Amino acid sequence: DAKTTQPNSMESNEEEPVHLPCNHSTISGTDYIHWYRQLPSQGPEYVIHGLTSNVNNRMASLAIAEDRKSSTLILHRATLRDAAVYYCILRAGNQFYFGTGTSLTVIP
Amino acid sequence: DADVTQTPRNRITKTGKRIMLECSQTKGHDRMYWYRQDPGLGLRLIYYSFDVKDINKGEISDGYSVSRQAQAKFSLSLESAIPNQTALYFCATSEGVRNSPLHFGNGTRLTVT
Repeated sequence: DAKTTQPNSMESNEEEPVHLPCNHSTISGTDYIHWYRQLPSQGPEYVIHGLTSNVNNRMASLAIAEDRKSSTLILHRATLRDAAVYYCILRAGNQFYFGTGTSLTVIP
Repeated sequence: DADVTQTPRNRITKTGKRIMLECSQTKGHDRMYWYRQDPGLGLRLIYYSFDVKDINKGEISDGYSVSRQAQAKFSLSLESAIPNQTALYFCATSEGVRNSPLHFGNGTRLTVT
């Protein structure tokens, strides 16, 4: 099965950039890399996804290593509302494989 | 109104009881999923369905069954609930396009005593 590994927790100061790493060494050539985040008492929320090239949207940026065995979610300016659990997920064919996520604490 | 609605939001039941969790969506998506979330284990896929006539087992389907009553409705049943099925359950939908993301409901917290 496609798997991801992430640090259990990270901290960031408010208004500073945050780099959330993910390793996915077993990724295959057709697997998409997705990132979701989960706020307390809510379902996961889509953040961004990519295949090979770096991606940007209004929420974040996704940097994908050249060998695709790792990726980094970049929040350019952390706010208190960004405190959540961030999941790096591989979409392999018709299934999504979730890791255990990184709990991000944002310090005012 | 939420695009993906799960009912009930919370449920406490006793061991051995049959229970059904319901999910409905207004997004018009063909694909629907049931996930289970346990502390420290992330989300694990129970069942998924790509249309009304298609049902597939996920990685932890034992002890569960599903019904896809219509494109918009996907129900999860526990035939005989046991305490280790105490968890947070999420329904999700996605389009049939290859790289389309998942859209989650707000979850059902189930406690089996």
